[in-house]
This record gives sequence, structure tokens and C-alpha cells, in this order.
Amino acid sequence: NAGVMQNPRHLVRRRGQEARLRCSPMKGHSHVYWYRQLPEEGLKFMVYLQKENIIDESGMPKERFSAEFPKEGPSILRIQQVVRGDSAAYFCASSPPFRQKETQYFGPGTRLLVL
Amino acid sequence: SQKIEQNSEALNIQEGKTATLTCNYTNYSPAYLQWYRQDPGRGPVFLLLIRENEKEKRKERLKVTFDTTLKQSLFHITASQPADSATYLCALDRGSSNTGKLIFGQGTTLQVKP
Repeated sequence: NAGVMQNPRHLVRRRGQEARLRCSPMKGHSHVYWYRQLPEEGLKFMVYLQKENIIDESGMPKERFSAEFPKEGPSILRIQQVVRGDSAAYFCASSPPFRQKETQYFGPGTRLLVL
Repeated sequence: SQKIEQNSEALNIQEGKTATLTCNYTNYSPAYLQWYRQDPGRGPVFLLLIRENEKEKRKERLKVTFDTTLKQSLFHITASQPADSATYLCALDRGSSNTGKLIFGQGTTLQVKP
């Protein structure tokens, strides 16, 4: 059973460009979480999604950031018009149905660098 | 405001000794607490979960305690090995929330010297 997959692992963008980060949860997992880790800081929750639904986006900036988890395909975290402050590691985690309050399995992360 | 604190200073210990890491929190009433390990350049890896009604939990060389009165969890690694060197994160749920959203501490870096 493959773990949580994220791609790309590294992404370089210039200010003003768009960044698309993809996350494929573990097989059978229907809950996806996105976290951001800034240098020298802890993991910060951004958004929690189930298939086709955003459950909790309280940690996501109101502008430029969006997330989706379509019926088919990976979850996408989209950052429009990136700025240098968006440079961070973005981690996706997944959990199985009915156990979303327990163990979350993390992917290897996407490291975004904004020049 | 809600806060989770882990010792930001690195913990250096000798191989074979017991490492003890601390996680303190304020203004939370979590239903459970988790510990994760994170290696440089990698995602966190789940280690242990302890619920509010559990005082202690063990897994091989790992032991976690949870004191809801003191609002503190201790994470112990016995017979430590250089391979245990990593950053260890504690994470709490939001208590009344049903979303499974986790709040993480900043992590404590452990260095085990041979």
C-alpha cells in the first residue's frame, strides 16, 4: 500500500506566478489535510477536505489560496500570484473514513521557493 | 490564546540513555494528544496517540504520559540510539471539534551521540 504521495517535491516560482501542489492520499483514505511549515516554525493547519467537500478551511489565507479534492484524482492546493512569503514546505496528510480524529499519515511534502 | 510549547532547545544525550521530551499546552481541552517524528526534508511520521482518559501508553522503547491537570505530556525514548536523532512533534486535536484538525508544537530536536 503506497503512502501519501505529493508532487512535485520541489517547486520554484517567480513572484506573481501560480503554484499547484498535488496530493494523492493513501488508498482507502477519504480525508485530506493540508499543512504549511515555514522555516523555523511548526506545522500550521490550512484546510481539511473530504471528497468534493471543504470541511474546514479556517487556516487558509482568504486570498490567493484555494483547495479542492475532486471525486476523481488528487487533492490540489492552488496558490495564485505567489509572493516570497509563500515559500515554505507544504504537507498533505490523509486519514481513513471514521477515523479522522486519529492518526494522520503525512506525505513527503512539496517545498515551494518563490524567487 | 491557545498555545502548545515544546522545548525549542535541542536535546543532546548519550547513546543508551533515556531521552525525555516535554509538551505543555494552555487553553486547550484536547481529547487526545499525538507524537510524531520528523527527519530533515521529510514529512512527519506518526508514533503514538494517547487519549485524555489514558495516563500512559507504551510502544517498544517509547513511552508517553498525559497529565490533563498539569496540561502536559512527556515523551520518553529508552535505550536511545543514534538512529533516534530527529525532531519530535507533539500535536493536539481541538477538543470539541469533529474535524480532526491538529495543532502542532514547534518540535524538539533530539541528538543521540554514540
